[in-house]
Amino acid sequence: EAGVAQSPRYKIIEKRQSVAFWCNPISGHATLYWYQQILGQGPKLLIQFQNNGVVDDSQLPKDRFSAERLKGVDSTLKIQPAKLEDSAVYLCASSLTNADTQYFGPGTRLTVL
Amino acid sequence: AQSVTQLDSQVPVFEEAPVELRCNYSSSVSVYLFWYVQYPNQGLQLLLKYLSGSTLVKSINGFEAEFNKSQTSFHLRKPSVHISDTAEYFCAVTIPGAQKLVFGQGTRLTINP
Repeated sequence: EAGVAQSPRYKIIEKRQSVAFWCNPISGHATLYWYQQILGQGPKLLIQFQNNGVVDDSQLPKDRFSAERLKGVDSTLKIQPAKLEDSAVYLCASSLTNADTQYFGPGTRLTVL
Repeated sequence: AQSVTQLDSQVPVFEEAPVELRCNYSSSVSVYLFWYVQYPNQGLQLLLKYLSGSTLVKSINGFEAEFNKSQTSFHLRKPSVHISDTAEYFCAVTIPGAQKLVFGQGTRLTINP
């Protein structure tokens, strides 16, 4: 069974630029999560989807971050414009339902200069 | 709201020595508890979890953790570590049905030969 796929693995941009990350969850998993992991900290949930609907986006900085999961499968997370403090690893995870174990992708390491 | 505290940011041990990684949580309701491991340049992997029943849970690679409700702890232990256990370990908590994982800051386990 293929795991959660993410791309790109690494991205370097300058502040005020835009960036997008892509996630392909495990086939059949209805729930998808985006986490932000700042160096030296644990992952922090940004947004949770159940199929193509948002369940929780309470910690998503909506003035600059957006995410979508239009067909209930793949998802993209966008930052526009990026700030220095957005430098982090962005992790995508999926689970069969919202009551099951979450499986994580390898993450995208973003560096904002 | 729930919170997790991992008391040690780094734990260096010698190979074949025992190790304990400490985790304390705060919650006013019942919780599920998890330990995730992150090997270098990889995503998080579930190591073990406590949902209900026996308070002692074990992983397939020799780690175990014990849920202690009175001390609000879920410490991770291994009687004899191997070089391959070098990784960052994250403790996480969620409320049954919520599925929003709250992570601790992580503990970096370094194994010296």
